[in-house]
Order: sequence, then C-alpha cells, then structure tokens
Amino acid sequence: AQSVTQLDSQVPVFEEAPVELRCNYSSSVSVYLFWYVQYPNQGLQLLLKYLSGSTLVKGINGFEAEFNKSQTSFHLRKPSVHISDTAEYFCAVSSSHSGGGADGLPFGKGTHLIIQP
Amino acid sequence: DTEVTQTPKHLVMGMTNKKSLKCEQHMGHRAMYWYKQKAKKPPELMFVYSYEKLSINESVPSRFSPECPNSSLLNLHLHALQPEDSALYLCASSQGGAGGLKAQYFGPGTRLLVL
Repeated sequence: AQSVTQLDSQVPVFEEAPVELRCNYSSSVSVYLFWYVQYPNQGLQLLLKYLSGSTLVKGINGFEAEFNKSQTSFHLRKPSVHISDTAEYFCAVSSSHSGGGADGLPFGKGTHLIIQP
Repeated sequence: DTEVTQTPKHLVMGMTNKKSLKCEQHMGHRAMYWYKQKAKKPPELMFVYSYEKLSINESVPSRFSPECPNSSLLNLHLHALQPEDSALYLCASSQGGAGGLKAQYFGPGTRLLVL
C-alpha cells in the first residue's frame, strides 16, 4: 500500500517570501503523486500532479513540485507567496498499477500554510 | 471542464431525519467517491463506485447508504445520524479503468450539521 507523510502541520511565511511544503511517500511500486489545495470552507482543488516524464512539475497559481525518486519526496514550492495562498495543502499518492480509482486516494495529514503580511 | 457539483451546500438535520446528499459530474468519469472530512483533518474515504458498482465500503456505518443511479450521479442517503457525523462530505470523480488513479476531481462539499 502507498502512503504519504507531511511532516509540517503548519508553515508560517511572510508575504512575497519563498515557501517549500514537504511531502515524502512510501511505496514499493511506481507511483503517481498529487498536491491539492483546500481554501477555507471549500472542496479540494488539484494543484499539480506527477505521472511520468519530467521530474519538475508545474501547476496552477505559480506552484511547482519536484519528484525525487531516490529521496522518495515530492516537495511543493512557490518562489513568492501571496496572502491568497493561505490554505491547507494535501499531498496524495496512488499506484500506477492499481485499477483506476479502486483504492481511493491516500492523503497526507495536510500542511496549513499561513501567509503573514 | 473538470467540475463536480454537490447539493446542498449546507445541511442541518436532526438525529431522526432522513436526508440525501447529491453529486453530479459530466466529465465521463467512471469512478466516483464519497469522502468525509472533519475539521483540520484530511479527507477519509467512505465509498467508491467503479462503473456504477460499489467497489469499496470502508466499514462505514449503515446509517450512511450510497447510491449510484447512473454514471454521472452519486447520492448519499442519511438516516438516524449522530452528532459525531457532523463534517464536510466531499464527492470526487476520476476516469476509472486500468492504469492507476491519474487524477481525482472534488466537488465543493456539503457541510453537514447533526443536532
């Protein structure tokens, strides 16, 4: 089974500063990796995903993530955050060998990104 | 279009009520899901429908009853809920089929309060 670990439950950052949210995964097979964002009182929005190919993945709202197989990581980065980036961020993983959707999507515990003016 | 819609947006119900949550997608996806999310926690999988058949029931109490009338619609029927069932209920969909789960799209959720 696959799982992800988000070590930071909360990350405070000043506005216009860079940020990195960490995600490590555990799997014995090849994986797909995802980052979702959840704004207050809303559903989850897909920020970006890694399926194959280039290890640097660009997503919406200026976010990007890098797949590092040797370190089993998929950290999310943004070079300059804005107050509107305040939200909960979830990392998730699935197996590339599973039946599509058969197992749902295991999420990390989430990282609350707090942007300080 | 990657939209999943859910109704109602908010729901307040008593412990003896019967209500239903509805979810709809028009992306041609063949897998649909119900998740439950408590405050400051990640979503927890409840049910998975794959090609309109229930494929996963994560030991959810029988007071929650899912239904998939067709490939675009997913319902969650609620009966005799408890106050601890108060949560955000999220519907999601994905393409389905072999080759792994390549993307899952979520609706805005129904905020449920059980009194």
